[in-house]
Formats: sequence, C-alpha cells, structure tokens
Amino acid sequence: DIQMTQSPSSLSASVGDRVTITCRASHNIYNYLNWFQQRPGRAPNLLIYDASSLQSGVPSRFTGSGSGTEFTLTITSLQPEDFATYFCQHSYSTLPFTFGPGTKVDIK
Amino acid sequence: EVQLVESGGGLVQPGGYLRLSCAASGFTFDDYALYWVRQSPGKGLEWVSGIYWNSGSTGYADSVKGRFTISRDNARNTLYLQMNSLRVEDTALYYCAKAVRRYDFYSGADSWGQGTLVTVSS
Repeated sequence: DIQMTQSPSSLSASVGDRVTITCRASHNIYNYLNWFQQRPGRAPNLLIYDASSLQSGVPSRFTGSGSGTEFTLTITSLQPEDFATYFCQHSYSTLPFTFGPGTKVDIK
Repeated sequence: EVQLVESGGGLVQPGGYLRLSCAASGFTFDDYALYWVRQSPGKGLEWVSGIYWNSGSTGYADSVKGRFTISRDNARNTLYLQMNSLRVEDTALYYCAKAVRRYDFYSGADSWGQGTLVTVSS
C-alpha cells in the first residue's frame, strides 16, 4: 500500500492568512493526488485533482502543486468558510486509494 | 445536478451482513467509475472499494477484501456494497462517490452522497 502523510496535523490561522499544507506519499504517485475539504457533519468536497487542477466551482484561492512524492495545498487569504479539515488522497495505480490523516485548520 | 443517495445502513451484530445501495442521478451513470469511502466516528477517511463504469474491474481495501463485494446495476443507476462477516471496526459512515472523469478509475471523486451509518455492535 502507498502511505500518505500530512503536515501539520493541525494549525491555527486568522482570516486573511496564507496557509500551506504538505502531503507526502511513500512511493512515486506522479500527479495522481487529490485534495478534499471536509466541514463538520458534511461529506468531503473535492478541491484539487491531478495535483494542481482546480475542481469546478472551487475558489481560486485554493492552489495545489507538486509531483512524485511531495505535494502542497495553499490557501491564499483564508476565509471564514475555509476553517475545516483537509485531506489528501492518492489515486495512482496501486490500490487502495489511501487518504492522508487530515489537517485541521481552525481559528486563531 | 449530480445526486448520490445512500441507503441500507443500520445496526447489525458482529458476524452479520448488510447491503448498502447508492441511487444516482444527474449524470450518465454508466460512464463513470464509482467508489465507497467510509469514516469512523471522529476519524479520518478510508477508501473501501471501487468499480469501473462497466463493472470490468473492482478493487478493495485489505481491511474488507474477501468480506465486502461492490457491484453496480447500470440499468437502475445504482451502486451496491454487500458487506458480510461484519466486525465492530466496520462501524462507520459509508459514502458513495463518483469519479471526476468519464472512463477513468484513477481519478478523484467529485461528487459524494451524504452517507449511510453502519453500526456493528452486540
């Protein structure tokens, strides 16, 4: 199995801050990397797929980058609705499509 | 608008079985791979299983392999998950989700249902 790790596990930030979350894969997954946002009591919401492609309807303040084993999700100018938990997930050929453990973003 | 509606969850004893369903609408069902993902209370996300748009291939997490079976009925626009030999650790909210791209199993999931809760307890 491909293991996914995320850092940090949690962070506190203020509205307007720039936030960066890192995801690392245990093996080369090329660009088969997805980012999800999950608010409490809600289903996950796809933000980024193929490492850097913005899902339709997602604000442009969310950007994804990276390839191989290291990836980042950046939120420029954090908004109140962005306080949530963020998960990365690989969708490379090796099953299962493992998720990272999540990064909780809360209000400073 | 894409809609995915899960059903079939409930309380079951260890060793029991359940069949989950996911009714889909708002997209060409037989063009897309579909997945089951679960989330234990207060925990992270676990990919459980996936199936090709034409049922040509399926995949499972090691934790459910040999106990769960994914299937789909393209005529009824419905995805299923047959869960046998259930364990306490299978307790979770089970989501169905749709692939981003047509005819592509190896992609993210862009639409999710609201989930159905499975509780395994004696």
